[in-house]
Amino acid sequence: AQSVAQPEDQVNVAEGNPLTVKCTYSVSGNPYLFWYVQYPNRGLQFLLKYITGDNLVKGSYGFEAEFNKSQTSFHLKKPSALVSDSALYFCAVSSPPSGGSYIPTFGRGTSLIVHP
Amino acid sequence: GAVVSQHPSWVICKSGTSVKIECRSLDFQATTMFWYRQFPKQSLMLMATSNEGSKATYEQGVEKDKFLINHASLTLSTLTVTSAHPEDSSFYICSAPGQGKDYGYTFGSGTRLTVV
Repeated sequence: AQSVAQPEDQVNVAEGNPLTVKCTYSVSGNPYLFWYVQYPNRGLQFLLKYITGDNLVKGSYGFEAEFNKSQTSFHLKKPSALVSDSALYFCAVSSPPSGGSYIPTFGRGTSLIVHP
Repeated sequence: GAVVSQHPSWVICKSGTSVKIECRSLDFQATTMFWYRQFPKQSLMLMATSNEGSKATYEQGVEKDKFLINHASLTLSTLTVTSAHPEDSSFYICSAPGQGKDYGYTFGSGTRLTVV
């Protein structure tokens, strides 16, 4: 079975400072890893994904994430936080698809609060 | 990119009535649709997976007769909450797997259901 852990319920950071939102995973075989952001009463928006290739993945809105196979981690980072980055962030993992569909497993979410 | 349109965004209904939530894939064919339920400040709970032309697969603990899922065409999946009660009040989100090598997931904007 696959699983995702987001150890922090909430991350607080001052505007302009770097931010990190942590994610570790467990999956059989090669992982497909994703980060999504959710604003209040909205669906999830895709930020970035790792399928294969470079361990450092760059995504939307200046976010990036580093795949670390040995630590089974996929932490989300941004060099300089903005107040508008305040939202709920979800990490997700799935396995390579079989039979045409593949079901992702989501972490419980981390609330990011960026203070002015 | 792939877009999933979810309607309605908000719905308030009386206890005992039924509510239908629609998710349409606008520019691609979604043979599979995932239906999630999200409680406040919590992660997404997968309720069921719908597949076009066949019966939905429900997760353990999800009442099939209460949450009716229909995937009648390649672009439309519906979730009907039957005989709704206040405890069914929640945020419901649909999601379709990515296309080709995308391997991502496209989410609807969500439906806030309040049963009074």
